[in-house]
Amino acid sequence: DARVTQTPRHKVTEMGQEVTMRCQPILGHNTVFWYRQTMMQGLELLAYFRNRAPLDDSGMPKDRFSAEMPDATLATLKIQPSEPRDSAVYFCASGLVRLEGNEQFFGPGTRLTVL
Amino acid sequence: DQQVKQNSPSLSVQEGRISILNCDYTNSMFDYFLWYKKYPAEGPTFLISISSIKDKNEDGRFTVFLNKSAKHLSLHIVPSQPGDSAVYFCAASVGNTPLVFGKGTRLSVIA
Repeated sequence: DARVTQTPRHKVTEMGQEVTMRCQPILGHNTVFWYRQTMMQGLELLAYFRNRAPLDDSGMPKDRFSAEMPDATLATLKIQPSEPRDSAVYFCASGLVRLEGNEQFFGPGTRLTVL
Repeated sequence: DQQVKQNSPSLSVQEGRISILNCDYTNSMFDYFLWYKKYPAEGPTFLISISSIKDKNEDGRFTVFLNKSAKHLSLHIVPSQPGDSAVYFCAASVGNTPLVFGKGTRLSVIA
């Protein structure tokens, strides 16, 4: 049963602390996405990778957010320093580039609370 | 500038009736459209999709309709069941670019 996994599922931290979220994409998928869900903005794309190369991270605040794929089985999203406005649910998704359409498969999310 | 809009934040439907969720888009270059369903504390799950070369796609109780001239997409669920209660996201893409999501519509199916 292939699934995207994310850790941790929940994270509560204090303002100024570093937060690292991890994602294991579905084996064989060549594209990985990071989204943030908030009440006001819905699902916002933060960054995405294809074949481990970052293609677009324009959705991320560059001064505090960074996204990497150290290898094909791990994607990370780091916030340093964290701020209360970063509180949201962060989703990782993976998919395959196809000629027609590209379904994305989402992980269960990391619920981040920054106090 | 929101390229994919779901103007109804919520919808309530009686069990057994039809649920119709709507989505409008502004980018005429979108060529693939999808609906995702999301339960609380879970990630969105893919439900059904449609290519821009079609105007209808059906999968069991779920049918997606695409009206390109009106830039409008709808999801019909017939008959609606209590287990269909969730948030539904409309999404669209151009080629292999990332999906652009609407803000979602919360569907409540009342028994």
